[in-house]
Order: sequence, then structure tokens, then C-alpha cells
Amino acid sequence: GNSVTQMQGQVTLSEEEFLFINCTYSTTGYPTLFWYVQYPGEGPQLLLKVTTANNKGSSRGFEATYDKGTTSFHLQKASVQESDSAVYYCVLTGGYKVVFGSGTRLLVSP
Amino acid sequence: GGIITQTPKFLIGQEGQKLTLKCQQNFNHDTMYWYRQDSGKGLRLIYYSITENDLQKGDLSEGYDASREKKSSFSLTVTSAQKNEMAVFLCASSIEGTDSAETLYFGSGTRLTVL
Repeated sequence: GNSVTQMQGQVTLSEEEFLFINCTYSTTGYPTLFWYVQYPGEGPQLLLKVTTANNKGSSRGFEATYDKGTTSFHLQKASVQESDSAVYYCVLTGGYKVVFGSGTRLLVSP
Repeated sequence: GGIITQTPKFLIGQEGQKLTLKCQQNFNHDTMYWYRQDSGKGLRLIYYSITENDLQKGDLSEGYDASREKKSSFSLTVTSAQKNEMAVFLCASSIEGTDSAETLYFGSGTRLTVL
């Protein structure tokens, strides 16, 4: 079946530092990959989406590249802000089941 | 734009009690979902529905029932609340059938506490 692994439970940064959140996946098909972001008290919302056709997605300064060779879909941002503090989920769809990673909490201090 | 409204926002029940969570969407989306969110464990699918009166079990359906009497609403019932299922329950919807890779739109959740 499909699975998603996020090894980092929490990442702590200062403003303007570089962000890298690791995500690896396992699937037998041709999945679409997403990053969702969840702010306190809210449900998750789409940050960006990448398909096998375009390989790379970006939004609000965040970027993610779909690497079929390493089965990775890491999230990056060149310079984080305090307002980026949230939980980030790597998500895979392939067939009806939407599989969420366990989430990475980002804490950014001013 | 649209919105997903979950009620109540906070639900407190007694162990063994039957509890119902409600979800309404005005996106006119076909598919709706219920997820359970436990701290540090991501989201797990309880039930989903691809159209009115349709119900499909997810990975975590045991101990829950669901109902989709209208396209715009999807309710979840905890059949007998247990202390180990205190969590946030999230409702979501998407525009097409679950085989397509469409965006999920989430409500803000119902936090369940079992005394």
C-alpha cells in the first residue's frame, strides 16, 4: 500500500533561516503529492501540489520537488518567518486513499 | 469560495455515551470525509462518502457510524465513547471522486473529550 514518512517531529528555527522538511513516500502507482499546512485551531489547508507531470511545486515561498529516484518530496523555504510556525503534512494520493504523514511542527522564533 | 462548518467545536461526553458530530459544506462538493487527528500521528480516515447516501469505510471505522442524507452534510457518530479516543475530528470535502487527486478542504475540527 501507499505510505508517507516524515521523520522530523519538530523543527525549530530563527527568522530568516533556511527550512528543510524531509518526506519520503512509498507507492506502487503514479501518485500526486501534496504539502498541507495546519495553523493552530484550524484544519489543514493546501500549501502546494505536485503531479508526475510537473515534478515541482511552489507557493508562498515554499518549494517541493518530486524525486521518483529517491522517492522523496522534501519541502524547502529559503527564509522563514514567524508566521510560518505551523504543522506541515506531506500527503500522497493514489487511488481513493489519501495518506497523511505524521506531520512536522515548525517553530520559528523572531 | 466556500466553507466547511463543523459543530460542535468542543464535545464532552461520558464513557459509553453515543455522540454525534456534524459537518456542513457549501462548496457543492461530491465527496466528503471524516478524519481523526491524534497528537503526533497525522490524520487517519474514518469514513468517506462519494455522493448522497453513499458510505465507505476507512482504516479506522470500527466504533463509528456515518450518515450522508444530503449532499451538503455528513455526520459522524461515536457509537460508544471511550477515553482512548479523545482526539480532534476533522471533516473535509473534495470536488471529484476519490480516485482523482483533488484538493481536500477541511473544517476547523471538533475536539472530543471523554470523561
